[in-house]
Amino acid sequence: EIVLTQSPATLSLSPGERATLSCRASQSVGTSLAWYHQKPGQAPRLLMSDASDRATGVPARFSGSGSGTDFTLTISTLEPEDFGVYFCQHRYKWPPWTFGPGTKVEIK
Amino acid sequence: QVQLQLWGAGLMKASETLSLTCAAHNGSFTGHFWSWIRQSPGRGLEWIGEINHSGSTNYNPSLRSRLTLSVDRSRNQFSLKLRSMTAADTAVYYCARRHFDAVGFDPWGQGALVTVTS
Repeated sequence: EIVLTQSPATLSLSPGERATLSCRASQSVGTSLAWYHQKPGQAPRLLMSDASDRATGVPARFSGSGSGTDFTLTISTLEPEDFGVYFCQHRYKWPPWTFGPGTKVEIK
Repeated sequence: QVQLQLWGAGLMKASETLSLTCAAHNGSFTGHFWSWIRQSPGRGLEWIGEINHSGSTNYNPSLRSRLTLSVDRSRNQFSLKLRSMTAADTAVYYCARRHFDAVGFDPWGQGALVTVTS
């Protein structure tokens, strides 16, 4: 089973600032990585697939990069609606597909 | 745009079998894997398994011995049965869609809290 770790656990930022979130895989997943955003009481929402492809309707301030074991999600300018928890998830070769523990982006 | 509606038991006793059903509205039922994912404070997000329109399944090995997924193509519905529930299975359960070649799950259903008491 591929284990995903995320850092930092919590990111305290102000609206307008840049956010950089990291996801690391225990072995290479190529570019088979997705990112999600979850707000309290809601289901996760897909942001990014294949490491760097924005899902439909996702604003351009979100960008993803990386391959192999190291991935980054960048939010260029934080908007109030961007606060919440961000998860990464892999779908590489064989199940089980696994998720990272999440990074909480909170208002500073 | 496809919408997923989930229903099933909320409060259960240990050893019982969880039954959940998810309906896909306003979208094609073919060409996708229909998935189950759960979330708890202790385990985080955990992928349970997935099934396609013809009944082919992928299961999480950690749950395989207790899990059965099924599909009803005539109703665009898919279902989960998880046997021998324990307190460790307490979680919010989600259904979600994944295109055959896609990495991510999109969209997700609204989630259902399942609580298991001893």
